[in-house]
Amino acid sequence: QLQLQESGPGLVKPSETLSLTCTVSGGSISSSNYFWGWIRQPPGKGLEWIGSIYHSGSTYYNPSLKSRVTISVDTSKNQFSLKLSTVTAADTAVFYCARSGLRDGYNRGPLDYWGRGTLVTVSS
Amino acid sequence: QSALTQPPSASGSPGQSVTISCTGTNSDVGGYNYVSWYQQHPGKAPKLMVYEVSKRPSGVPDRFSGSKSGNTASLTVSGLQAEDEADYYCSSYAGSNIVLFGGGTKLTVL
Repeated sequence: QLQLQESGPGLVKPSETLSLTCTVSGGSISSSNYFWGWIRQPPGKGLEWIGSIYHSGSTYYNPSLKSRVTISVDTSKNQFSLKLSTVTAADTAVFYCARSGLRDGYNRGPLDYWGRGTLVTVSS
Repeated sequence: QSALTQPPSASGSPGQSVTISCTGTNSDVGGYNYVSWYQQHPGKAPKLMVYEVSKRPSGVPDRFSGSKSGNTASLTVSGLQAEDEADYYCSSYAGSNIVLFGGGTKLTVL
């Protein structure tokens, strides 16, 4: 059974960079059939797609966050990571990693496996 | 791209049916048959309930069904049960490998 697990600091200071890692177990991140993505959810609010990565390293980002986001992959560790720079209190959220399916070569498939999420609070 | 539009709340009595709408544009919901629906209980990760407009993953009850007309997708929950009370989110492919979510709908079972 595929499992995803987010890890990283739960508290980040304003203006600093938020860094999270998602470890995939029970399956290979190098599979040609899937993308790997990050989604966030501010407390009491809705879901927001941050971006996705393919095992080759190709990345796709939410245009509203693109200038501050970097997603990378380490296939040797079966992990992918998120960096969000210059954070403010508005970036406080539960961050989820998830798998999405490749459809006709595009990131069109559903998010079918999710991690449990990790709360990151931005505060001094 | 803007978030997809969902009603903030919906409700129904046990055994009844309820439909939740998700409105987008020709560039997302109306342009592709890649609409998904997710169920989220408090403190839990979202769970995929419907994908590609109307397909159900293994293990999802057939009480959950999806459809689409033009720029609006819908999720219908039939035979409402207490455990269906949750937040529901739609999402759609929006071109260029970008994904959009709706703002979410809180479903209350009366």
